[in-house]
Amino acid sequence: DAKTTQPPSMDCAEGRAANLPCNHSTISGNEYVYWYRQIHSQGPQYIIHGLKNNETNEMASLIITEDRKSSTLILPHATLRDTAVYYCIVTVGQNFVFGPGTRLSVLP
Amino acid sequence: NAGVMQNPRHLVRRRGQEARLRCSPMKGHSHVYWYRQLPEEGLKFMVYLQKENIIDESGMPKERFSAEFPKEGPSILRIQQVVRGDSAAYFCASSPAWIWDRENTEAFFGQGTRLTVV
Repeated sequence: DAKTTQPPSMDCAEGRAANLPCNHSTISGNEYVYWYRQIHSQGPQYIIHGLKNNETNEMASLIITEDRKSSTLILPHATLRDTAVYYCIVTVGQNFVFGPGTRLSVLP
Repeated sequence: NAGVMQNPRHLVRRRGQEARLRCSPMKGHSHVYWYRQLPEEGLKFMVYLQKENIIDESGMPKERFSAEFPKEGPSILRIQQVVRGDSAAYFCASSPAWIWDRENTEAFFGQGTRLTVV
């Protein structure tokens, strides 16, 4: 089973920031939090990952709480092309497990 | 540097036939992961391989499914005697090292093979 919980769906207005939460209360000290997204039926696309510090790249920002039990993925200016299922992943043993993710709908 | 290449993109098999799905990892990547995605569901881990070794096959069905990653050539996911329930999208990912707890390592996914069993 996945070690993360996410809301099943969210809406966001085009041009606004999309904030996607993830709970991972059982994360251990050396496990990273990864975010991927899957647009329609394409292969999952890497977005960002982090351990304890906040991270930012050209796609998104990742905010991890101090106790590391939750995180938020931020898409600063959502576009229609950001409509996708977003997966928050923490390792389980030697592999990682995708949960059901959050289906983000960016609305015009 | 080409990405992860999967072929075929679409595969149709009759019940009872064999399906062979191929995955060529990114150049320099020696770790391969296979996932299955049923319609309207999330990705389910199947198997993790390094060159010539199966590291974790805890997600593989015990019968009819096998995977290999030979020293030369692509990784192969083989499904014998396919049934309708095997119809799904099969994705593979590759990474240069074991992922998920290394600071600068992520996995890259292919575009998948869509298997339809008729």
